[in-house]
Amino acid sequence: KQEVTQIPAALSVPEGENLVLNCSFTDSAIYNLQWFRQDPGKGLTSLLLIQSSQREQTSGRLNASLDKSSGRSTLYIAASQPGDSATYLCAVRAIQGAQKLVFGQGTRLTINP
Amino acid sequence: DVKVTQSSRYLVKRTGEKVFLECVQDMDHENMFWYRQDPGLGLRLIYFSYDVKMKEKGDIPEGYSVSREKKERFSLILESASTNQTSMYLCASTSFQGSNQPQHFGDGTRLSIL
Repeated sequence: KQEVTQIPAALSVPEGENLVLNCSFTDSAIYNLQWFRQDPGKGLTSLLLIQSSQREQTSGRLNASLDKSSGRSTLYIAASQPGDSATYLCAVRAIQGAQKLVFGQGTRLTINP
Repeated sequence: DVKVTQSSRYLVKRTGEKVFLECVQDMDHENMFWYRQDPGLGLRLIYFSYDVKMKEKGDIPEGYSVSREKKERFSLILESASTNQTSMYLCASTSFQGSNQPQHFGDGTRLSIL
């Protein structure tokens, strides 16, 4: 059974720092991995999707990497801003299980001005 | 941009009521999903649908049913609401084409069962 873990559960850093969020998964048989952002009381906003054949994806100040063989992904945020404060979730789409996504519990990020 | 719209942001219902949660997407997506999100448990899949009138159970379908009469609309039904169904409900959609399309989510419905 696929399990997704995100560590740490919460992170607080000063504005301007570069930071890395971690995601690990137990079964490397995946189609893709997706990173989401969730603001309090809101839905999920898709940030990046990395296909299983890719090593990384970039969007603006965000860079996501994927090491499928070791079951790890990182989300790198450059020059963090208070507006980046949110919960970040990673999810994998396993090859088994049709279109289902398996989510981690998320990392709650706070950027202090 | 993909738009997934959930009909209510907040909903309060009573135990035993039949509750309908509605979701509409505007991108002609084949696949639609219902998740619930609870503290400490994360997001869990309730039901999903590959196409009109097609549905598949997810991980926690007990106490729920779904309806997909039109491609753009996917409804979640709580047959007889109970307090343990108090939760945040999230709808998502994705294109069937290929296996590497992102899932797009609505803003969620926070449902309280009293």
